[in-house]
Amino acid sequence: DGGITQSPKYLFRKEGQNVTLSCEQNLNHDAMYWYRQDPGQGLRLIYYSQIVNDFQKGDIAEGYSVSREKKESFPLTVTSAQKNPTAFYLCASRTSGAGTDTQYFGPGTRLTVL
Amino acid sequence: GESVGLHLPTLSVQEGDNSIINCAYSNSASDYFIWYKQESGKGPQFIIDIRSNMDKRQGQRVTVLLNKTVKHLSLQIAATQPGDSAVYFCAENGGSNYKLTFGKGTLLTVNP
Repeated sequence: DGGITQSPKYLFRKEGQNVTLSCEQNLNHDAMYWYRQDPGQGLRLIYYSQIVNDFQKGDIAEGYSVSREKKESFPLTVTSAQKNPTAFYLCASRTSGAGTDTQYFGPGTRLTVL
Repeated sequence: GESVGLHLPTLSVQEGDNSIINCAYSNSASDYFIWYKQESGKGPQFIIDIRSNMDKRQGQRVTVLLNKTVKHLSLQIAATQPGDSAVYFCAENGGSNYKLTFGKGTLLTVNP
């Protein structure tokens, strides 16, 4: 998992609650990403940030929010507006510059809605 | 839209055999491809990558082949071991360096 930590490993949420998933990296990477993984499906991009204080919506941003106040941190909030939040959430990071497409992943957070 | 897909969703091999996992891509702008290994309940782990100016790249027990003519990517694992059992999926960059598109994955099971 190479310097990317996600917490908690397991998270349970009641209907109507907002929850925040943590992602921290000590790789000095500029770009960070949040993906959602559902059984039998590929990774789907929620949000990404290429530099501090800037982020862009991915393919499935509805019901999620992020912030990028520090280079090392990219927390994801799953809001009550997300109708089907139960999934495995993965954070990734990438350094910047030419020829630096490789994304490295954290260990993931499994979110379950009760 | 453009997508990355896999020919085989599951692959079962005997320990010691060679494994080949395939991936088709459709975005002709993609010039960078990655293979990841994901064990159950864990995050994806980088295995090997290849750029479009290459046809083949080798790592430790793994080889990636790229056929740009038919937009096909494969991962070869030599002398497959039980620890190789995992989901393997490919990703392409669509010509950008900041976004990747991922395939759904192939489940590799290695029988002792």
